[in-house]
Amino acid sequence: EVQLVESGGGLVQPGGSLRLSCAASGFSFSSYWMYWVRQAPGKGLVWVARIFNDGSMTNYADSVKGRFTISRDNAKNTLYLQMNSLRAEDTAVYYCTRVIVTGTPAFAYWGQGTLVTVSS
Amino acid sequence: QSALTQPASVSGSPGQSITISCIGTSSDVGAYNHVSWYQQHPGKAPKLMIYDVSNRPSGVSNRFSGSKSGNTASLTISGLQAEDEGDYYCCSYKSGSAPYVFGTGTKVTVL
Repeated sequence: EVQLVESGGGLVQPGGSLRLSCAASGFSFSSYWMYWVRQAPGKGLVWVARIFNDGSMTNYADSVKGRFTISRDNAKNTLYLQMNSLRAEDTAVYYCTRVIVTGTPAFAYWGQGTLVTVSS
Repeated sequence: QSALTQPASVSGSPGQSITISCIGTSSDVGAYNHVSWYQQHPGKAPKLMIYDVSNRPSGVSNRFSGSKSGNTASLTISGLQAEDEGDYYCCSYKSGSAPYVFGTGTKVTVL
């Protein structure tokens, strides 16, 4: 069974940093591109970042480019999101997600999410 | 990166059919057959309901169907049931360095 478990969320001041983790199990983690998607309280889903299976390429939403870094450790089956220069508008539940099958851009597996609150 | 446009709310009585539209552009919905739909209940993670415009993942009821015409994708729920209440989001692959865009979301209410 595919499982994705996020951790690392919490309260941080504007301008601060936080690193999210996503522990993956139940599938060959090193074979899949991985993604982060976020959802502000009461708002819709927003795609945040993508990383290729070997970490060779990454993509970001314009709103986080230059501030967030997605990375992975295939030996530990873990995905990361390093978030720097955090702003109030980054407050959201952050989901780690995986596509249904390689090559089909549909998010079939989701973690439970971890809440990041940016506030003074 | 403008979100895809969905109606804010759609409602129907049990047993009826409803359709949710998802309006994009020639750079996303119109360009690729990679439109997916997600159902989300309060406090829960989204659930994939349709992928690649009209394909259902294993375990998703055949009451859910998807289609696309030009820059507009649609999700139809037939035989509406109380458990179908929730928020629904479309998502499309798109050209550019940020390759995914979600819709604005639609709240489905079963009357």
